[in-house]
Amino acid sequence: EDQVTQSPEALRLQEGESSSLNCSYTVSGLRGLFWYRQDPGKGPEFLFTLYSAGEEKEKERLKATLTKKESFLHITAPKPEDSATYLCAVQHNTGTASKLTFGTGTRLQVTL
Amino acid sequence: KAGVTQTPRYLIKTRGQQVTLSCSPISGHRSVSWYQQTPGQGLQFLFEYFSETQRNKGNFPGRFSGRQFSNSRSEMNVSTLELGDSALYLCASSLSEGLIGTGELFFGEGSRLTVL
Repeated sequence: EDQVTQSPEALRLQEGESSSLNCSYTVSGLRGLFWYRQDPGKGPEFLFTLYSAGEEKEKERLKATLTKKESFLHITAPKPEDSATYLCAVQHNTGTASKLTFGTGTRLQVTL
Repeated sequence: KAGVTQTPRYLIKTRGQQVTLSCSPISGHRSVSWYQQTPGQGLQFLFEYFSETQRNKGNFPGRFSGRQFSNSRSEMNVSTLELGDSALYLCASSLSEGLIGTGELFFGEGSRLTVL
C-alpha cells in the first residue's frame, strides 16, 4: 500500500536550535516529492520539489534532501516565524494515472 | 497577482443535504485539484481537472464530484452529506498539466464545511 509517514508528529524547538523533520515513503513509481508549509487557517504553501535521490534544495533556513526511501527537511537556527505544520507529499504512478499522497505533517513550534 | 480564491470560506449543513464549493485558480493556471483535510486523515486527494477534463481521481465515494469550466474555474459537489464529511476542502491550481506533469501547487485558503 502506498504510504507517506512523517515524524515526529510534533516538535518544539528553542530559537536557534537546529533539527530535522523526516518524511519516509513506500510508493512505486516515484515522480516527485514536495514539501509544503501550512499555517493555521491557511492553505499549504509550496516550499520545495525533489525529483531524484541525492538532490538537495535550500531556501533561507530550510534545506530539503532526498534519498530512495525518505526525505529530510533540515531547519537551521529556526526563528519563531518558522512555527507551522510542515507537510510532505509524494507524486507517484498508479497504473496509467498519477497520484499525490500527503503525509499527516509535523507541527513545529519555535519558542524564544 | 491574485491567488487561488475559494468560496464560501465557511458553511454549515445538515446530514442529507448537498453542498457546492467553488474555486477560482490563479490567472493562467489550467490545472485545478481538490483535497479534503481532516485532523485524523490529513490531506487527501479528491480529484484533478485540466482543460475541463478529470485527469485523476482519489479514493472517495461517488457522492463527491466536480467539474471545471472553460475559464478554468472549478466546482466540487458533495451530495447526501454525512457527519464524516466535515472537513476543510482545499483547492489548488498549477501551471503544469496537473499531476500527470509536475509542478508546484498553489493552494487557496479552503472552505470549512461543518455537517450537523
